[in-house]
Amino acid sequence: DAKTTQPTSMDCAEGRAANLPCNHSTISGNEYVYWYRQIHSQGPQYIIHGLKNNETNEMASLIITEDRKSSTLILPHATLRDTAVYYCIVRVANAGGTSYGKLTFGQGTILTVHP
Amino acid sequence: GAGVSQTPSNKVTEKGKYVELRCDPISGHTALYWYRQSLGQGPEFLIYFQGTGAADDSGLPNDRFFAVRPEGSVSTLKIQRTERGDSAVYLCASSLTGGYGYTFGSGTRLTVV
Repeated sequence: DAKTTQPTSMDCAEGRAANLPCNHSTISGNEYVYWYRQIHSQGPQYIIHGLKNNETNEMASLIITEDRKSSTLILPHATLRDTAVYYCIVRVANAGGTSYGKLTFGQGTILTVHP
Repeated sequence: GAGVSQTPSNKVTEKGKYVELRCDPISGHTALYWYRQSLGQGPEFLIYFQGTGAADDSGLPNDRFFAVRPEGSVSTLKIQRTERGDSAVYLCASSLTGGYGYTFGSGTRLTVV
């Protein structure tokens, strides 16, 4: 799986958009980008994934650059409950992003949403 | 149940003792994973089951660690001769084969004293 680089921590004001960057310059053509988050004392929670097109669901949006070497997770209106560690993971997957096998987590980004 | 259930939620044991940690995956999920998370670190992969068999156990740190899933549902992670360095949160996750999001439990916090 390609290596990812994320900032250690970020702050965001409640109600504003939180933009979390991830670099994955060695990503290969059959690798997808996945985002998980981990709220304190809970297990990681799947957020979204994508290959090369931008994706949106009820939780977030994922913007992937045209060269696929970086991506940004966007929480459009951050709330205090979005305070968590956010993990960007790159891995090989089948068409549509389905896959199985181990996930390799890095250190992630600690996002703190403040009032 | 609706989610992945792990028991116990907390376990304190003495160095050298044997412990078992249990995971009840989401019904129908064929894939099951164990991870270990130390303070301030991301989860670290231990082992992955597809049905009853261990498809990838490359993350088990040594032969003191063993996991089973005899009927393809509930799994038990077993740690022999526990050491203080085994103290961590042990996370279990399950997924459909061919799914794209894994569902994690809240973990078992193991403390070896």
